[in-house]
Parts: sequence; C-alpha cells; structure tokens
Amino acid sequence: DVKVTQSSRYLVKRTGEKVFLECVQDMDHENMFWYRQDPGLGLRLIYFSYDVKMKEKGDIPEGYSVSREKKERFSLILESASTNQTSMYLCASSFEETQYFGPGTRLLVL
Amino acid sequence: AQSVSQHNHHVILSEAASLELGCNYSYGGTVNLFWYVQYPGQHLQLLLKYFSGDPLVKGIKGFEAEFIKSKFSFNLRKPSVQWSDTAEYFCAVIRDNNNDMRFGAGTRLTVKP
Repeated sequence: DVKVTQSSRYLVKRTGEKVFLECVQDMDHENMFWYRQDPGLGLRLIYFSYDVKMKEKGDIPEGYSVSREKKERFSLILESASTNQTSMYLCASSFEETQYFGPGTRLLVL
Repeated sequence: AQSVSQHNHHVILSEAASLELGCNYSYGGTVNLFWYVQYPGQHLQLLLKYFSGDPLVKGIKGFEAEFIKSKFSFNLRKPSVQWSDTAEYFCAVIRDNNNDMRFGAGTRLTVKP
C-alpha cells in the first residue's frame, strides 16, 4: 500500500510566523503535490514537483514556497503566515496519474 | 481554463435509496477521470478511475461511474446507499496525461439510517 504521511494533523500558528509542512511518501513516486482544501472550493493546487529540486506553480502559489531536496519528501513553506491561509493542507504523490493522499494538516492561523 | 463541475453541493438520502452524483468537465481533449471519497476524519481515497476502454467503470464498495464523452460527464452511481457511504465525494480530471489534476468542489452525501 502507498503511504503518504504528513508531519502534523493539527497546527496553530500566529500571523507572520514561518510555517513548514512536511510530507513523506514511501513508494518512490516521482510526482508530488500540495493542495489546500476549503469548503465549497474543493482542492486547489498550490505547487507540484516532478522530480528532486524541481517545482512548478499550481493555481494558487502566492504566499507559499516548496522544497524537494529528496525524492520522498516534499515540503510546503508559508513564509509569513496570514489568516487567509487557515485551511486544510493535503499532500499527494502519484504513479501513473493516480494520486495518493496523506491525511492532511489542518492549519489555523491566528 | 479547464474546470470540473459537481452539480450538487449536499445530497441527503435514506438508506437503500439510489445515488447519482453529477460531474461535468470543460476540456475537450483526452482526459482521465477519477472519483475520490473522503470519509469523515479520513484522508482522500480513490473510489474509481477511467483512462480508456469500457466507459462504465466499477469501483470499490459497489460504486460505478459512466463516462459519456458527448456530454463531458462522468457521473457516479450506486444502486443502494448505506449509512457508511456518508462522506464527501470529489470528481477529478487529468487532461492530456500531464499529471495536472483538477478537482470539483465536492458533493457532501449524508445517508440517514
């Protein structure tokens, strides 16, 4: 079974803090993704990566950056957290176009 | 821009009722289609997918979906729902095999016992 893990299930941060969300997959997948999930909006792609040290912007990259130093790990960084970044963050990896999701990190920015 | 539309935001059914959740997409090229399910407190799981071949696809837990190319649709069906089907359902589309998956807004299904 594919396993995608995320470092935290719940996180509370203050406005202006730098936030790191970590994602690890154990299936040697090349493609990894970060989404945010908001009620009524579904999943929106923030960034994705096709390979180590490679990244591509998704639909809503503003306020976020990513890092992929190792194949199994894809990190999402909020440089200066804002209240409108309160959301559920989902990481996924994919093989043959099927995406496998982690449990999500619910982030609250106060 | 490619979009994915799910017509129903919230569907409420009684157990044993039949289910059909609508999904339409706007892209006219080659597409791969997916339905994902998110049970309360759990992560997104793949329910079924269509890449090619028979347009009627069977997935887990008795779900099926039919790809109708002329209608740009990929509706999800189940003949008889159970209370345990209460979840949020997401339709997703990848176009031209480029790994860029687009999701619909989701449909919340509540099944009353």
